[in-house]
Amino acid sequence: DTGVSQNPRHKITKRGQNVTFRCDPISEHNRLYWYRQTLGQGPEFLTYFQNEAQLEKSRLLSDRFSAERPKGSFSTLEIQRTEQGDSAMYLCASSPTTPVEYEQYFGPGTRLTVT
Amino acid sequence: DQQVKQNSPSLSVQEGRISILNCDYTNSMFDYFLWYKKYPAEGPTFLISISSIKDKNEDGRFTVFLNKSAKHLSLHIVPSQPGDSAVYFCAASGEASGSRLTFGEGTQLTVNP
Repeated sequence: DTGVSQNPRHKITKRGQNVTFRCDPISEHNRLYWYRQTLGQGPEFLTYFQNEAQLEKSRLLSDRFSAERPKGSFSTLEIQRTEQGDSAMYLCASSPTTPVEYEQYFGPGTRLTVT
Repeated sequence: DQQVKQNSPSLSVQEGRISILNCDYTNSMFDYFLWYKKYPAEGPTFLISISSIKDKNEDGRFTVFLNKSAKHLSLHIVPSQPGDSAVYFCAASGEASGSRLTFGEGTQLTVNP
């Protein structure tokens, strides 16, 4: 399977703990995106990388959130001092540098529950 | 500021009939509009898109219509099949918005046998 993969698929943590999620994009894709989806809403953009460079960050990405893509391949998203409001599905997507139709290819997501 | 809106949270149709899902947007700088389908426990899957310079794009049973003057697009599925039952998201993008996709809230489509 050469699609986008994300790990873990589910994470339950207590408020105040740190969590880290991993995303492995489609291997030939240079762009990698993170989105967050809450119940009843569509995915909301968080940040994106072109190779290892983080080129854009949403205002949704507070100081407690940090994303990296150290070698331009996989990416990690870390949330420090988690809050109950961080409970959501975190989606990763990838695309070629110049997607034909702006399409992005999504992974299955990591569902975070903060108790 | 909800730039992409899907006003119908749910839609139910009979198998074999047409499904019409609607989407409105406010940002005239969007260049491309996309539809994604999402099954439970899976990520969104790209379905079909349309450039702002076109008014129709067709792919098999799926057709997307764009009315730029009304800032409105719709996805038609003909004929609808039970396997089409999923949440459908409308999304928009363009050079002015960088590489981000801006999504609507989604519409749950149920196709009854």
